[in-house]
Amino acid sequence: DAGVIQSPRHEVTEMGQEVTLRCKPISGHNSLFWYRQTMMRGLELLIYFNNNVPIDDSGMPEDRFSAKMPNASFSTLKIQPSEPRDSAVYFCASSLYGTAYSGNTIYFGEGSWLTVV
Amino acid sequence: AQSVTQLGSHVSVSEGALVLLRCNYSSSVPPYLFWYVQYPNQGLQLLLKYTTGATLVKGINGFEAEFKKSETSFHLTKPSAHMSDAAEYFCAVILNRDDKIIFGKGTRLHILP
Repeated sequence: DAGVIQSPRHEVTEMGQEVTLRCKPISGHNSLFWYRQTMMRGLELLIYFNNNVPIDDSGMPEDRFSAKMPNASFSTLKIQPSEPRDSAVYFCASSLYGTAYSGNTIYFGEGSWLTVV
Repeated sequence: AQSVTQLGSHVSVSEGALVLLRCNYSSSVPPYLFWYVQYPNQGLQLLLKYTTGATLVKGINGFEAEFKKSETSFHLTKPSAHMSDAAEYFCAVILNRDDKIIFGKGTRLHILP
């Protein structure tokens, strides 16, 4: 079975450029999560969707960040303009019925490693 | 307020020795509890979880964890460490049935030859 697929795996970009990270969740999963991982702050939830609808975006750091989920099999996280402090690993994850129903397992992608110089 | 606390950002054990990674949570209601593992350059994967029922939970790769309500703990153990266990381990909790999962800061496990 294909897991959560993220692209690109690695991205190096210059400050001020737009960055788009992509995610394909596991087929049949109806919840999707975007996390950011840094040494300083650990794993942070940025936003999550249920049935393509954003449920909680309180973790999105600022207006430079936006996320969309146009259909059940695709999501994007966009940073515009990017800054050096955005350098991190960004993980997409998916699950059935969100996190609260029977403690459903969240499946993570392998991450997108972003470096902004 | 910190909902889940992992004691020790780095833990080193010798190969063959007991592994003990500590996790405590803050909650007045029974939580759902998870341990995830992250190998280098990979995403997180579920080791084990507790939702209801038996408080001793067995996971993959010989790991297990015990939910102790009186101690608000969910420590992860493995009787004998292997070199392949070197990774970062995350404890996670869902405090309310309608809430999102909260991850701890992680504990990096080092295995000494």
